[in-house]
Amino acid sequence: KNEVEQSPQNLTAQEGEFITINCSYSVGISALHWLQQHPGGGIVSLFMLSSGKKKHGRLIATINIQEKHSSLHITASHPRDSAVYICAVMEYGNKLVFGAGTILRVKS
Amino acid sequence: EAGVTQSPTHLIKTRGQQATLRCSPISGHTSVYWYQQALGLGLQFLLWYDEGEERNRGNFPPRFSGRQFPNYSSELNVNALELEDSALYLCASSSGLAANTGELFFGEGSRLTVL
Repeated sequence: KNEVEQSPQNLTAQEGEFITINCSYSVGISALHWLQQHPGGGIVSLFMLSSGKKKHGRLIATINIQEKHSSLHITASHPRDSAVYICAVMEYGNKLVFGAGTILRVKS
Repeated sequence: EAGVTQSPTHLIKTRGQQATLRCSPISGHTSVYWYQQALGLGLQFLLWYDEGEERNRGNFPPRFSGRQFPNYSSELNVNALELEDSALYLCASSSGLAANTGELFFGEGSRLTVL
C-alpha cells in the first residue's frame, strides 16, 4: 500500500463545476503539500498545510490530521485548471513522499 | 526576483557515462531538494541539502550523489548511468530547516535521457 493515496486518478469536469480531489496518507507528517504540474513538467506549489484550511482564489485546501486526510477543492473550474494535481506529505527528515497525482481535464 | 533555475534543460548521455545537473535556489533559500520523476514511477525524493550539508536522502544507490556550494546552489551527479535513470530531475528550494514553515519552490526540471 502506498503511503500517499489520491483519488480520483482521472477527472473530467465541465467548466464551472466544483471539483474535489482527495488525499489519504498513512505516516506521521510535519506538513502536506498540494502541487500542480502542467504538461511541460514544471511544478507549482499551491498549498502547504499542517492544520485546518487555506484558500487562494478559487482553490481551497483542508486537512484533518486525526483522520490523515486532505482535500483540494476547485470552485468554478476553468479549462486553464487542467493539469496534474499532486498531494505530497513531508515526513520527518524533510522527505517528501508524493501521491500518484490526479489528472484533471476541464472542458469548456 | 528569479525563481529556482536548473540547467541543463535537456541532457542526453549513454550508459556508463556520468551526468551532472545544476540548481540555483531562490535568493535567501538555504535548503535545496532533488527529486526524480521517471516515466511510470511518479515523483520520488532523492536528496536534501541545507547549509552545505546532506541532511537526508531517499532510497537511491550511492551513484546518485550531490553537493551544495557556499552560495547554496547545488549539483546532482549520477555516475555509471543506466537506462532507467532516464527521467525528469526536479530541484526545489525552501527557506530554513523547518519543514512545516518553508514553502517549496520548484524549478522547471532537467530532462535526462540515457541511451
